[in-house]
Amino acid sequence: DTGVSQDPRHKITKRGQNVTFRCDPISEHNRLYWYRQTLGQGPEFLTYFQNEAQLEKSRLLSDRFSAERPKGSFSTLEIQRTEQGDSAMYLCASSLPRTISGELFFGEGSRLTVL
Amino acid sequence: KQEVTQIPAALSVPEGENLVLNCSFTDSAIYNLQWFRQDPGKGLTSLLLIQSSQREQTSGRLNASLDKSSGRSTLYIAASQPGDSATYLCAGNDYKLSFGAGTTVTVRA
Repeated sequence: DTGVSQDPRHKITKRGQNVTFRCDPISEHNRLYWYRQTLGQGPEFLTYFQNEAQLEKSRLLSDRFSAERPKGSFSTLEIQRTEQGDSAMYLCASSLPRTISGELFFGEGSRLTVL
Repeated sequence: KQEVTQIPAALSVPEGENLVLNCSFTDSAIYNLQWFRQDPGKGLTSLLLIQSSQREQTSGRLNASLDKSSGRSTLYIAASQPGDSATYLCAGNDYKLSFGAGTTVTVRA
């Protein structure tokens, strides 16, 4: 098992451009989470999926952000019309249902820099 | 809304000293509590998971306790090594994790 993988690891873009991040969870995990982390802070929850259903979205997820998880496998996080304030590390995590474990496993993150 | 606080924010110790990292949370209705390690520019590595029905978990030199009634968890790292230098984060899980800002640990050789 290769763990949670995220792509790309680093993305530099100009303000106003669109960016998309991909997350491949651990294969048997039905829950998938997106978090955002800025320097010196703990990760902040953005959204999570159970299988293909998006069950919650944080107020941090403005209408410029959209996440999908087609067929309950990989997930994408798209940011449209990027702003400098979007610069952060975007972290993906996956888990089994908490009735089994609930332990979250994170990927290495996708670092976004908006110029 | 779950609020998680970690004290101290930073800690520097000589090699061999035991480390004690504190975590407090406001909502005792957590399902579990998880401790993570994060190296600079990297993702989070899960260290220990304590289910709400448990009081502690141990892995090697690491031991974490959980007291839901007081809203506290403590991570102990025995006989610290320079390789333990990292930021340690705790997170309470109701159905999603709420993180503290972390404790940055430096172990001096």
